[in-house]
Amino acid sequence: KNEVEQSPQNLTAQEGEFITINCSYSVGISALHWLQQHPGGGIVSLFMLSSGKKKHGRLIATINIQEKHSSLHITASHPRDSAVYICAVRSQAGGGADGLTFGKGTHLIIQP
Amino acid sequence: DTEVTQTPKHLVMGMTNKKSLKCEQHMGHRAMYWYKQKAKKPPELMFVYSYEKLSINESVPSRFSPECPNSSLLNLHLHALQPEDSALYLCASSLLSGSGEQFFGPGTRLTVL
Repeated sequence: KNEVEQSPQNLTAQEGEFITINCSYSVGISALHWLQQHPGGGIVSLFMLSSGKKKHGRLIATINIQEKHSSLHITASHPRDSAVYICAVRSQAGGGADGLTFGKGTHLIIQP
Repeated sequence: DTEVTQTPKHLVMGMTNKKSLKCEQHMGHRAMYWYKQKAKKPPELMFVYSYEKLSINESVPSRFSPECPNSSLLNLHLHALQPEDSALYLCASSLLSGSGEQFFGPGTRLTVL
């Protein structure tokens, strides 16, 4: 079973700061997802990565397959970015659950 | 249409009630998932349906009974639940089982009294 670790667990920053959230996993994967969840709400998929880097607006996600590590960056952070950010992986084929394995999430608060 | 819808948004039920959660998508996805999320915890996989057939049951108690009547619809039937079953129940779908991005619904917040 894949172990997914995220850091930090909690992060408070000022508006405008550059934010980095890290994710590491223990077993080879076919894809890694970055998800966003606002309090009491459903989950929004931000990125799905299997290699390299993706950018969408102020969000950038990178993955290093050899090091089993991914980062999510937020540039020019804004209070509306406050949410829980969750890293989730789909392990490579070969048995086990077909759904995602989730990290515990990073609770981000951006203060005005 | 690129969304997954779930009804109801909130549900309060007693331990002797029978209720159902509903999930719908019209993206042509052939894999659908039920997850359970307790407060301040990550989601946990419950069931996976692939082409309307149950492919994964993560040792979920029989008081939870999934059903996939067609490729767009996924139900979760609830009976004789316990207070510890109170949680956010999330539905998701992907184009195929085992690949592709998963799209999540907004969830149903369930409270069992």
